[in-house]
Amino acid sequence: GAVVSQHPSWVICKSGTSVKIECRSLDFQATTMFWYRQFPKQSLMLMATSNEGSKATYEQGVEKDKFLINHASLTLSTLTVTSAHPEDSSFYICSANSIQVTLDNTQYFGPGTRLTVL
Amino acid sequence: DAKTTQPNSMESNEEEPVHLPCNHSTISGTDYIHWYRQLPSQGPEYVIHGLTSNVNNRMASLAIAEDRKSSTLILHRATLRDAAVYYCIRYSSASKIIFGSGTRLSIRP
Repeated sequence: GAVVSQHPSWVICKSGTSVKIECRSLDFQATTMFWYRQFPKQSLMLMATSNEGSKATYEQGVEKDKFLINHASLTLSTLTVTSAHPEDSSFYICSANSIQVTLDNTQYFGPGTRLTVL
Repeated sequence: DAKTTQPNSMESNEEEPVHLPCNHSTISGTDYIHWYRQLPSQGPEYVIHGLTSNVNNRMASLAIAEDRKSSTLILHRATLRDAAVYYCIRYSSASKIIFGSGTRLSIRP
């Protein structure tokens, strides 16, 4: 149980275009979903926290107008990278908390999406 | 600061036990300690978590110091598939995970 999927697993796009990445909790409902970015040889960096039906909370230094997050249901969150540039090329990973989990806050991670902007 | 301190890298031999240490000296009384691992080009995978008592599951064991300022992840019999970056996490407020640099574990055949 507790499986999180991401789509697409990889994407290549031209500079200036927008890319949407989906994150789904397949067998549980998620109270909160998180988006991370990971550059090569580095650790994961939290970008934003999203709760279903409310606006996402962005970490310091993350542009909310560039990285649009929509969390329309308890099983789906989307991250749209708008007007992508080569410096946005990275590994994007989402995670989710189960609505049934109250205390220990175990998060379940998706497999990641590799974005390459040409 | 919600980050933890781990050695940058460790090596072990296949089929031998591995002890991965983690310091979390500023942990609060209600923070859980979680371990995740990440294989190349994959998302992190949950390994184990605990609060005060030692914990065991099919993947590993977690030994938590009595003062909770440190913990050790124990892989009882390392295999080549255990080569990964291991992250020790304590949760900050609002359920956010703050990732440190983790420990890169290499397994020698």
